[in-house]
Amino acid sequence: SQTIHQWPATLVQPVGSPLSLECTVEGTSNPNLYWYRQAAGRGLQLLFYSVGIGQISSEVPQNLSASRPQDRQFILSSKKLLLSDSGFYLCAWSRQGHVNEQYFGPGTRLTVT
Amino acid sequence: AQKVTQAQTEISVVEKEDVTLDCVYETRDTTYYLFWYKQPPSGELVFLIRRNSFDEQNEISGRYSWNFQKSTSSFNFTITASQVVDSAVYFCALSDPFLDSNYQLIWGAGTKLIIKP
Repeated sequence: SQTIHQWPATLVQPVGSPLSLECTVEGTSNPNLYWYRQAAGRGLQLLFYSVGIGQISSEVPQNLSASRPQDRQFILSSKKLLLSDSGFYLCAWSRQGHVNEQYFGPGTRLTVT
Repeated sequence: AQKVTQAQTEISVVEKEDVTLDCVYETRDTTYYLFWYKQPPSGELVFLIRRNSFDEQNEISGRYSWNFQKSTSSFNFTITASQVVDSAVYFCALSDPFLDSNYQLIWGAGTKLIIKP
């Protein structure tokens, strides 16, 4: 069966500090990978998605970036965090093809102080 | 433009009551897919169902049922005999294969369901 891991579960970072969130998927190969952000009490905002190693599509211009160094590894980064980067970050995967459901990781709660 | 509307921001019912969560979508295409997800207080989104636009049969899974009506562009979700564990935020989403970014799901804003004991 497939599983998706995210870490850390919670993170408190000062403004201006760097960020690295990691997501890995097990039990499948060549998945589509996604990073979402959810502000408190709000809906989901797609940040990045990837259909393969090194292939990243950005949906929202911001100070965040994503990388996919390995088939089942997806990393969300920032060089300098802003207060507005606070939120709940969710990684998801789906099988290749647009009609497949997405499966989500447990998420990372980021607070920028 | 494609859009998903969940007009009910928050619903509160007493345990064992039936509750229906509404989802209305907009798309210009005849081929599309609809989804429901559950987000319990822990935060992780849980996939509940996927339905394609050519299958209008209602779906039942235990206490959960879904009513898909193309005529009204709705894909409503009913929980029968609700339980406290059903308390969560529920999201409806649309996948439109003809979007330029066709890997995206178009998400509704979510409905917060509170089940009181």
